[in-house]
Amino acid sequence: GAVVSQHPSWVICKSGTSVKIECRSLDFQATTMFWYRQFPKQSLMLMATSNEGSKATYEQGVEKDKFLINHASLTLSTLTVTSAHPEDSSFYICSARPGREYEQYFGPGTRLTVT
Amino acid sequence: GEDVEQSLFLSVREGDSSVINCTYTDSSSTYLYWYKQEPGAGLQLLTYIFSNMDMKQDQRLTVLLNKKDKHLSLRIADTQTGDSAIYFCAETDNAGNMLTFGGGTRLMVKP
Repeated sequence: GAVVSQHPSWVICKSGTSVKIECRSLDFQATTMFWYRQFPKQSLMLMATSNEGSKATYEQGVEKDKFLINHASLTLSTLTVTSAHPEDSSFYICSARPGREYEQYFGPGTRLTVT
Repeated sequence: GEDVEQSLFLSVREGDSSVINCTYTDSSSTYLYWYKQEPGAGLQLLTYIFSNMDMKQDQRLTVLLNKKDKHLSLRIADTQTGDSAIYFCAETDNAGNMLTFGGGTRLMVKP
């Protein structure tokens, strides 16, 4: 149990276009989902926290107008990278938390390459 | 601000024990976690420990927490080649929000 999926697993897009990444909790309801970014050979950095039905809370330095997060249901959150630029190329990982606060499960990640 | 530090690299022989260390600075951390990341993949939750615990054992994994020194360790007994990966420790606040990850320790297991 506690499986989190992400789609797509990798995407290449042209500079200036927008890309949507989906994060789904497959066998549990996630009241909270998190989005992280990981640069090569570095640790994860939390970008934002999203709660179902409310606006996401962004970490300092993360542009909310560039990284649009929608947590439309208890099993789905989306991250849209708008007007992507090469510096947005990264590994994006989501995680989902069921009701019990100490458990958090990660998706497999989405590798975004902006050309 | 919060800071979590780990050594970058650890090499062990198959069958030996591995000990991965982590230090943190936020004394208000409620939960501390160990995650495993294999190449090109996301993170897999290995285990977690509440800040009011000293030790937790789960099969081959033993987590030790020294709250006074803000030191967390993960011991893997009988290390196997399949354990080769990057291991991240992380700490959260009371709400369980994942605030800070360590930089990760790359474990290499030699046959």
